[in-house]
Formats: sequence, C-alpha cells, structure tokens
Amino acid sequence: DVKVTQSSRYLVKRTGEKVFLECVQDMDHENMFWYRQDPGLGLRLIYFSYDVKMKEKGDIPEGYSVSREKKERFSLILESASTNQTSMYLCASSPVGGPEAFFGQGTRLTVV
Amino acid sequence: ILNVEQSPQSLHVQEGDSTNFTCSFPSSNFYALHWYRWETAKSPEALFVMTLNGDEKKKGRISATLNTKEGYSYLYIKGSQPEDSATYLCASMNYGGATNKLIFGTGTLLAVQP
Repeated sequence: DVKVTQSSRYLVKRTGEKVFLECVQDMDHENMFWYRQDPGLGLRLIYFSYDVKMKEKGDIPEGYSVSREKKERFSLILESASTNQTSMYLCASSPVGGPEAFFGQGTRLTVV
Repeated sequence: ILNVEQSPQSLHVQEGDSTNFTCSFPSSNFYALHWYRWETAKSPEALFVMTLNGDEKKKGRISATLNTKEGYSYLYIKGSQPEDSATYLCASMNYGGATNKLIFGTGTLLAVQP
C-alpha cells in the first residue's frame, strides 16, 4: 500500500516563527510536491523536487523554501511564518514522468 | 502559469440525481489529466488518470471523458448518493521543465442531500 506521510495533521505557530513541514514517501518516487489549498483557490503549487537536492519553484514560492536531502523526504520551510500562510498544506509524490500522484493527509497550519 | 478551470464551483443535488462537472485545461504539451476526489479530513484519492484523446474511464457510477484537442474533460456521476459528497479536483500534467507538474483546478464541491 503506497504511503505519503505528513508529520502533523494540525499545527499552530506564532507569527515570525520558523516552521518545518515534513513529508515522507515510501514508494521510491523521484518527484515530490508541496501544495497549499485555500477556499476558492484550489491547490496551488509551492515547490517541487525531481531528485535529491534538486528543486524548482512552483506558482507561489514566496515566503517558503524547501529541502530534499534524501529521496524519501521533502521538507517545506516557512522562514518567518505570517498569518497569510494559514492554510492546508498537502504533499504529493509521483514516479518520474508520472502520471499518477499520491497525496499525504494534509497539515492544517494556523499562524497566530 | 498554466490555467486549469473547473465548473461549477459548487453543486447541491438530491440523492438519485445524476450530475456532471467540467474541467478545461491547456492542450499544448499535454501529458495527462487527473481526476481526484477529496473528502473532508482525508487525502485526495485518485479517481482517473487519462492520457489519450477520446479516453473514457468508468468506476462504478462515476465516469470521465477526455478531449485533448479542445482541452476539456467531463466527470459524470450517475444516481448520486450522500457518500459522493466531496470536492472533485481535476489536474493537468503537461510536459515542461525538469519534470511534469500537476496543476490543479479550484475544484467542484458536491453536496448530495438524502
């Protein structure tokens, strides 16, 4: 059974804190993605990675960075959390070339 | 930025009604079209992945069609049940860059009233 696991389901952080969202997949997939979901805006791509230490910006990378030191783990970093980063964050992985992607259960982050 | 658009944004139907949603996507450099079903508090679940023009796929009461030349896909639900209530997401995967990105539409929120 394929598995994408996000480290937290719910997270509350203070403005200005550095926040780490972790994602681990056990399918040996090359591609990993971070999305955020906001009402009326759907899933928007923040960053993706196609190999260890390789990353590319998605559509809304501002205020975020990522780290992929190992193939199975892709971390999303909020350098200085702000209230407009309150959202649902979803991680996904796929094999090289796709086409199917598998999702984690999501992390609902609230920044106060 | 590639645009994937879905309509309607939300839909309320009665149990037993049949319904359909539309997804439009960029047809240039097209690779695959995905439909996902996303229930509250769960991970998005893949329903269909379609790659060929004219593809039709079916899973129980749910089916989907694909037109890559004009850039649209339809999702049909026959005889809606309350357990079909969810957000239905479509996503386009297009060739480009180092890998193929999935770009999502905003989703259609379906509520089925018993």
